[in-house]
Amino acid sequence: EAQVTQNPRYLITVTGKKLTVTCSQNMNHEYMSWYRQDPGLGLRQIYYSMNVEVTDKGDVPEGYKVSRKEKRNFPLILESPSPNQTSLYFCASSLSGLAGGHNEQFFGPGTRLTVL
Amino acid sequence: AQSVTQPDIHITVSEGASLELRCNYSYGATPYLFWYVQSPGQGLQLLLKYFSGDTLVQGIKGFEAEFKRSQSSFNLRKPSVHWSDAAEYFCAVGGGSTLGRLYFGRGTQLTVWP
Repeated sequence: EAQVTQNPRYLITVTGKKLTVTCSQNMNHEYMSWYRQDPGLGLRQIYYSMNVEVTDKGDVPEGYKVSRKEKRNFPLILESPSPNQTSLYFCASSLSGLAGGHNEQFFGPGTRLTVL
Repeated sequence: AQSVTQPDIHITVSEGASLELRCNYSYGATPYLFWYVQSPGQGLQLLLKYFSGDTLVQGIKGFEAEFKRSQSSFNLRKPSVHWSDAAEYFCAVGGGSTLGRLYFGRGTQLTVWP
């Protein structure tokens, strides 16, 4: 089944404790992206990757890191999480990143992160 | 600056009634427009998209949307709402001038009364 998977789905952690949220897609997509969703703010783009070894900042990159060492994986790293990073995180992928996701972006199920 | 405005935070309709969700965008180039739906506890699913051509686009689940360049709008419509349509709806814009970027509105929560 074609899908985007995220792990973990739920995570409660404490301030300053490094964490990684994994994202994997099995569709051979070039483009991958991370969003955070906060009530009343919709989805905001954190980072995106047009292809392997190519990443770029979105609207809210502060406090996050990403890497794209292989096509299928795009982990999101929080080196020192803070309470304002408590949010619902979505990973997405599409065939190509041309034209802002000219092809449909497929979304993962989300990771709900709480930072105490 | 690129942005999307969904003026209605919450809409309530009765089952069987018609629905229109509003979306206005600000974009410096030819926009590519999307509507996504998010059911409770779920990820986002694409309802429909507009790139070019016919300004009335059909999507899944009986939804359609009309692109009006003069009004910078891309409103979503459905002639008869079903209880299962209760969800949050997001409008998004991307395009050739901002490769890799997709800008979302803040969402409209739809409640359907039986």
